[in-house]
Amino acid sequence: SQQGEEDPQALSIQEGENATMNCSYKTSINNLQWYRQNSGRGLVHLILIRSNEREKHSGRLRVTLDTSKKSSSLLITASRAADTASYFCASGGSNYKLTFGKGTLLTVNP
Amino acid sequence: GAGVSQTPSNKVTEKGKYVELRCDPISGHTALYWYRQSLGQGPEFLIYFQGTGAADDSGLPNDRFFAVRPEGSVSTLKIQRTERGDSAVYLCASSLTSGRDGELFFGEGSRLTVL
Repeated sequence: SQQGEEDPQALSIQEGENATMNCSYKTSINNLQWYRQNSGRGLVHLILIRSNEREKHSGRLRVTLDTSKKSSSLLITASRAADTASYFCASGGSNYKLTFGKGTLLTVNP
Repeated sequence: GAGVSQTPSNKVTEKGKYVELRCDPISGHTALYWYRQSLGQGPEFLIYFQGTGAADDSGLPNDRFFAVRPEGSVSTLKIQRTERGDSAVYLCASSLTSGRDGELFFGEGSRLTVL
């Protein structure tokens, strides 16, 4: 079963705009991770935020975590056509496995 | 190799046949995961190995599915009496520690089609 839910399911923006994706999860976590998947390819890790952190940055990526609301958001600034992909959040709990959401399909139009 | 390697990349089989999917993790990674991804969905957990042992196989859908990792490196996912509903992309991932503590490194997946 999948624990997380991403919102929106699909997002279409113009190059240069910012893209925000949200994720909700159900149980307590040690960390929350975001992955990217290009069509027909494997998943690539983007960023990890620990349960005691509230915000983290990596290049054009900004992730927030609100453990009281069991939610996280991923912001991609100054988007590029090459950012077109599916984005998944994954929650890491005490049971060693990552539980993925259903993903957000991001399309960045040139 | 530098990354997680999965073979075959594509497998087409007939209903009722036996299938093996192989995963070669990153050298030195003790944790190994199998996930299954259906079209338009996120990866669903199947099984987790720490070393040679299956630490958590709670995601295996039924007893037709089995996975091994005899020497703590390469893993094989085995599916008996395949059904059309088994069609999906099977993803393997490895990690230096585990998903509880760090990132997973994924292979490109094995796309299984059961006719």
